[in-house]
Amino acid sequence: GIQVEQSPPDLILQEGANSTLRCNFSDSVNNLQWFHQNPWGQLINLFYIPSGTKQNGRLSATTVATERYSLLYISSSQTTDSGVYFCAVESALHYQLIWGAGTKLIIKP
Amino acid sequence: NAGVTQTPKFQVLKTGQSMTLQCAQDMNHNSMYWYRQDPGMGLRLIYYSASEGTTDKGEVPNGYNVSRLNKREFSLRLESAAPSQTSVYFCASSSEVLNTEAFFGQGTRLTVV
Repeated sequence: GIQVEQSPPDLILQEGANSTLRCNFSDSVNNLQWFHQNPWGQLINLFYIPSGTKQNGRLSATTVATERYSLLYISSSQTTDSGVYFCAVESALHYQLIWGAGTKLIIKP
Repeated sequence: NAGVTQTPKFQVLKTGQSMTLQCAQDMNHNSMYWYRQDPGMGLRLIYYSASEGTTDKGEVPNGYNVSRLNKREFSLRLESAAPSQTSVYFCASSSEVLNTEAFFGQGTRLTVV
């Protein structure tokens, strides 16, 4: 089946720093979503981005489907950005989202 | 607009007990899903319902059953709980089963002792 790899696994930054999180996938995908899981366990939709670039405030994402990767950019990090960021993909073969292991982000004040 | 609502939020079961996790969505979505999340991992699909009246197995269905009660509600049942089923359970919905954005409930933290 399709493999999803996220990097880095852990990231510790000072407040105000910028960061780039990467998601690589092993096959063509129909759907790609980025989620933020906050310290209370809630999953928050960030982007639905099977291809192209989207921006929402300090966050933006780019998916290059032909090269099988997606990037999540976080600018001017805040402590509330802490948590785990997941990439999840859906291939044509699966009626489900296949999840990466996540990037754990800690923003220090 | 509540989105996807799960109950309960927390549950402790003894080995062998049964329970049902409830999920309801108010977005008029056709497709609903149950996932589990184990520590340090992403989510894995247990069962899904592409549309009202249909259910199918996902990646890890053993030990679970589901019921799509109507378009809004999708329940997950553990008939005889085992410690290996200790996990956080998430319900999700999407307008269609493919190529559409999925939205998640707040999760149910289940501990089986």
